[in-house]
Amino acid sequence: DTGVSQDPRHKITKRGQNVTFRCDPISEHNRLYWYRQTLGQGPEFLTYFQNEAQLEKSRLLSDRFSAERPKGSFSTLEIQRTEQGDSAMYLCASSPPTGIETQYFGPGTRLLVL
Amino acid sequence: QKEVEQNSGPLSVPEGAIASLNCTYSDRGSQSFFWYRQYSGKSPELIMFIYSNGDKEDGRFTAQLNKASQYVSLLIRDSQPSDSATYLCAVRVGVTGGGNKLTFGTGTQLKVEL
Repeated sequence: DTGVSQDPRHKITKRGQNVTFRCDPISEHNRLYWYRQTLGQGPEFLTYFQNEAQLEKSRLLSDRFSAERPKGSFSTLEIQRTEQGDSAMYLCASSPPTGIETQYFGPGTRLLVL
Repeated sequence: QKEVEQNSGPLSVPEGAIASLNCTYSDRGSQSFFWYRQYSGKSPELIMFIYSNGDKEDGRFTAQLNKASQYVSLLIRDSQPSDSATYLCAVRVGVTGGGNKLTFGTGTQLKVEL
């Protein structure tokens, strides 16, 4: 499988707990994006990496959210002290270094905060 | 005004008909435009992109772009029940070299009826 992969696919946690999600992009893609999608809405941009550098972060992203891409390959998204409002689908996408840089999405991680 | 607007639908068309999905955007600096299909509970799947005014055809799909009117549309010919999904319009300010985020509309739900 050469597509974007995400792990876990589903996560149920209690309010106040920390959670971490992983994304493995398509191998030759150097750009990686995190989005969040709630029911009835389109995906909302969270943050963007080019190689290991985090180049853009949404102003909507609270300090409880942090993302890393330490070696320019896989990325992790951590949410600290989860709140019920964090319940959503967390989507990772990657794009190639040249051309139109079309973004391809992974299957997503569905988070439910109780 | 939302940055990217779509009619939420549902848009119902009979099998074999042409489905027309519309999207308007507010940022005149937008340069590239994407259509994604999203089945319920799944992640967005790229259908096609367009960045030049006019029409772009790919199989049963045609994207149309009018930058002067800030309008992009997707036509689906010979609609099939398997086309029933939510169609997301996404807009990006850059074309290449920027890796800019995508801004999504809320999506239009399409139902193709037998």
